[in-house]
Amino acid sequence: AQRVTQPEKLLSVFKGAPVELKCNYSYSGSPELFWYVQYSRQRLQLLLRHISRESIKGFTADLNKGETSFHLKKPFAQEEDSAMYYCALSRNSGNTPLVFGKGTRLSVIA
Amino acid sequence: KAGVTQTPRYLIKTRGQQVTLSCSPISGHRSVSWYQQTPGQGLQFLFEYFSETQRNKGNFPGRFSGRQFSNSRSEMNVSTLELGDSALYLCASSPGTPSTGELFFGEGSRLTVL
Repeated sequence: AQRVTQPEKLLSVFKGAPVELKCNYSYSGSPELFWYVQYSRQRLQLLLRHISRESIKGFTADLNKGETSFHLKKPFAQEEDSAMYYCALSRNSGNTPLVFGKGTRLSVIA
Repeated sequence: KAGVTQTPRYLIKTRGQQVTLSCSPISGHRSVSWYQQTPGQGLQFLFEYFSETQRNKGNFPGRFSGRQFSNSRSEMNVSTLELGDSALYLCASSPGTPSTGELFFGEGSRLTVL
């Protein structure tokens, strides 16, 4: 069974500092990986997916199959980045649900 | 387009009662997934429906059930409520398979069991 691990429950960084939210997964096949974000008093929403290889709000994430990781990075944190971040995985074969990690709360300190 | 709508937003029940939660997906979306969100466990998958058929089910006891109607609206039911069922229940819809597309979440139904 697939599993997603986010080792940090809380991550605090200063404004302007680099951010890295860690995500490791356990799945022997070819995964589809996503980052979802939940800002205060807002709905959970998709931030980015590995297959699109895009940068959203300055965030990027690279799939490292050797290390089974999909860490989320941003070079300079902003206060508006403070939110709950969830890493999610699904099997590439389709017709499977998204499995989420337990989430990391990012707090950006001014 | 209107977003995913969940009702009720808040409810309080006592142990042993049952509860029904409703979810209206985005128009045109045929897949509805349900998740239980708690501070300690994050999001745990409950079930997923597509065209009125349950395609996937998470590791929850039989007290948790759901269904989907022909208009794609979905309901989930929890019987014989326990204190541990207190959580935010999130519904999400997608046009097709959740694994390849984006999930659009509702605001959730917050259930408190006393």
